[in-house]
Amino acid sequence: KQEVTQIPAALSVPEGENLVLNCSFTDSAIYNLQWFRQDPGKGLTSLLLIQSSQREQTSGRLNASLDKSSGRSTLYIAASQPGDSATYLCAVEYTDKLIFGTGTRLQVFP
Amino acid sequence: EPEVTQTPSHQVTQMGQEVILRCVPISNHLYFYWYRQILGQKVEFLVSFYNNEISEKSEIFDDQFSVERPDGSNFTLKIRSTKLEDSAMYFCASSVERSGELFFGEGSRLTVL
Repeated sequence: KQEVTQIPAALSVPEGENLVLNCSFTDSAIYNLQWFRQDPGKGLTSLLLIQSSQREQTSGRLNASLDKSSGRSTLYIAASQPGDSATYLCAVEYTDKLIFGTGTRLQVFP
Repeated sequence: EPEVTQTPSHQVTQMGQEVILRCVPISNHLYFYWYRQILGQKVEFLVSFYNNEISEKSEIFDDQFSVERPDGSNFTLKIRSTKLEDSAMYFCASSVERSGELFFGEGSRLTVL
């Protein structure tokens, strides 16, 4: 069964810390992996897309890595800010569908 | 910046009623999707749509569900006879290419009483 797991489920840190969010998936036959941000009651905002042939992607303070063979991805957030507070979702694509993890709820306090 | 738009933002309906949720994908996108999120649970895939036909659907997407692209801009999800367990946030998404970056709308919250 294709499953995606994210740890930790929740994280509360002071502003300025560097963070690592983890994602693991059971079936390594993926097309790509995408990280999203979800604010309460809102839609999903795409952060980074890593194709299966890639090892990492960077956008600003965000860096995502992919180790397809071990079924893992990490999202690194540098110098966290209160505006980064949200739920971060990892999603893996298999044949025209995304399988989502349960998310990591991040709170960054001033 | 182009975005996926969804209407209505919130709909309340009685069990057994038909509901149509509407989406306007980003204009040059070719691949369209519906996902849903029951409160407190994971986002779940419902259906993908390309070239005027369903390319993939989940077990959730049974005979009570249908999708349509009635014109060049709208993409709709119809639930024929709603059940209490259909209460969820329904998200529309689109991408310009297969396995490309997915862009989501803000969602339509469906409450079935």
